[in-house]
Amino acid sequence: NAGVTQTPKFQVLKTGQSMTLQCAQDMNHEYMSWYRQDPGMGLRLIHYSVGAGITDQGEVPNGYNVSRSTTEDFPLRLLSAAPSQTSVYFCASTAAAGRGTGELFFGEGSRLTVL
Amino acid sequence: DAKTTQPNSMESNEEEPVHLPCNHSTISGTDYIHWYRQLPSQGPEYVIHGLTSNVNNRMASLAIAEDRKSSTLILHRATLRDAAVYYCISSGGSNYKLTFGKGTLLTVNP
Repeated sequence: NAGVTQTPKFQVLKTGQSMTLQCAQDMNHEYMSWYRQDPGMGLRLIHYSVGAGITDQGEVPNGYNVSRSTTEDFPLRLLSAAPSQTSVYFCASTAAAGRGTGELFFGEGSRLTVL
Repeated sequence: DAKTTQPNSMESNEEEPVHLPCNHSTISGTDYIHWYRQLPSQGPEYVIHGLTSNVNNRMASLAIAEDRKSSTLILHRATLRDAAVYYCISSGGSNYKLTFGKGTLLTVNP
């Protein structure tokens, strides 16, 4: 049981390049989220999904796209990378959506640097 | 979600209890209090959560004030592995949209 798996762990991009951060979970969780964490800061929600085919924007969605074609996978796409997107990205999943229920499981993170 | 206030940092000694405070004075009656922690170079991990009553699990205890305006995460015997950033979150919404502030950086001295 791997939990939440993120790839790649490290990536360096040039400004304007595009890439996809992969996230997969093997716990059959309906709900998945992407966060970013900047140095000395908490985590900010980028996008989330409440099930296959359903996604919505979080606090900082600009510059990112997501899709959810399967329950297991929730990739995050950077369309045209900018230095402001240099950050550590975390994917998370949970089984339950109700208030106060459902532990949020996080991946180990993907560290992205945009030059 | 109610705003939470935590100290930026705290220190403790190994094998001693640690009390991590959190203030959430604007909490609503249906908001839960969640605690997560983030070890160095890892993603956050769940610690404990509660609504009104004190809660215990294998990792920690959560003591919630009677007026619910504050809470305390208690680590009964700190180990070096407990050195992490601890996040207190007050949320009335779904867990997949939790808001993480800056948290408290806990240093454990050997």
